[in-house]
Amino acid sequence: GESVGLHLPTLSVQEGDNSIINCAYSNSASDYFIWYKQESGKGPQFIIDIRSNMDKRQGQRVTVLLNKTVKHLSLQIAATQPGDSAVYFCAEYSGGGADGLTFGKGTHLIIQP
Amino acid sequence: EADIYQTPRYLVIGTGKKITLECSQTMGHDKMYWYQQDPGMELHLIHYSYGVNSTEKGDLSSESTVSRIRTEHFPLTLESARPSHTSQYLCASSEWSKKETQYFGPGTRLLVL
Repeated sequence: GESVGLHLPTLSVQEGDNSIINCAYSNSASDYFIWYKQESGKGPQFIIDIRSNMDKRQGQRVTVLLNKTVKHLSLQIAATQPGDSAVYFCAEYSGGGADGLTFGKGTHLIIQP
Repeated sequence: EADIYQTPRYLVIGTGKKITLECSQTMGHDKMYWYQQDPGMELHLIHYSYGVNSTEKGDLSSESTVSRIRTEHFPLTLESARPSHTSQYLCASSEWSKKETQYFGPGTRLLVL
């Protein structure tokens, strides 16, 4: 079936470095993508989104890139801080019957001092 | 910060007990959702609602049931809890006009012994 997945389950980076978290999706009908951050013991928190008619969107310290040709999504976090430590999920929305989001398995970002 | 609340945050209960997980939002959102998440894994949609008196099953089959008598309230009930129901349950809501942007509560961690 259709799925949204992430390439790496764990990513370890040095504090201050840039982080890149990747996501591959398979539903070509998806027209909206979201990155969520989930800290331990909390629900997912919206970070940034992008529509399928865009290939890049920037927020505060975060950038999302969308490559529809290879169905790839990435989240770039600039100058990673200890507070960035969390599990990051990409999710896709295709407007199907349930209007629910399809989530990938998540990447655990670990910040080393 | 999203105004969506879940209680209890943690619940340990014996097999066969009836439980109700509460979810409330104060944003006036029409759509509400329940997701199930096992540790370190992706979220799966188990129930959703378009509004008052509307309840639908999600992509993942669940023995739980939901009700939507008031816009702001979307409780989930398990008539007879089993160890296989042990998981984290996350509630979310969204505006009707922007269904793809979902705001999540902090979740309820359920352990059935």
